[in-house]
Amino acid sequence: DQQVKQNSPSLSVQEGRISILNCDYTNSMFDYFLWYKKYPAEGPTFLISISSIKDKNEDGRFTVFLNKSAKHLSLHIVPSQPGDSAVYFCGSGGGGFKTIFGAGTRLFVKA
Amino acid sequence: DVKVTQSSRYLVKRTGEKVFLECVQDMDHENMFWYRQDPGLGLRLIYFSYDVKMKEKGDIPEGYSVSREKKERFSLILESASTNQTSMYLCASSSTGTGKDGYTFGSGTRLTVV
Repeated sequence: DQQVKQNSPSLSVQEGRISILNCDYTNSMFDYFLWYKKYPAEGPTFLISISSIKDKNEDGRFTVFLNKSAKHLSLHIVPSQPGDSAVYFCGSGGGGFKTIFGAGTRLFVKA
Repeated sequence: DVKVTQSSRYLVKRTGEKVFLECVQDMDHENMFWYRQDPGLGLRLIYFSYDVKMKEKGDIPEGYSVSREKKERFSLILESASTNQTSMYLCASSSTGTGKDGYTFGSGTRLTVV
């Protein structure tokens, strides 16, 4: 049973608009949440994280929102750029669990 | 610039072969991990090591073993390669055992078993 789910395999967005990538988790013990970005033929790179004591963390164009009651987090990219086109993985863990990753969402940003 | 280096980008092996995937990190991290990435399944943990000669199974250890003789090197071994082990293999290291502070990943090894 998947503890971390990214239900959208892909997302297409126009350059300059907002990209919203979603992630759901099931384990209430998880206390940290991370987003990674992966280009083809490269390893994932850490993008942004949030701990369970916060509901928002912002880093430049990237903001992660956490809704603990809904066990849901989202990554907002504003404004989206063509270079943001990649696969995005969310991961979460804590309570003795190593980071568990979702299946990934492929983002296409059209120029 | 800190790095995790995987020795091979692409490998093609035959069914039944013993396969070694090598990973080296230069960050002096105690914790190292092997994941595989498959479409629709994301990144799944195979094994991890929290110290030299120490290892623990991850979520999908069957058919794999690991070796960590030195702090900077973590090897993944496919004892007898099978076609269902065709995948992208990613090595990572971290300053924490859980990955809470983020992993540094290598570029990956795409293994094809024929």
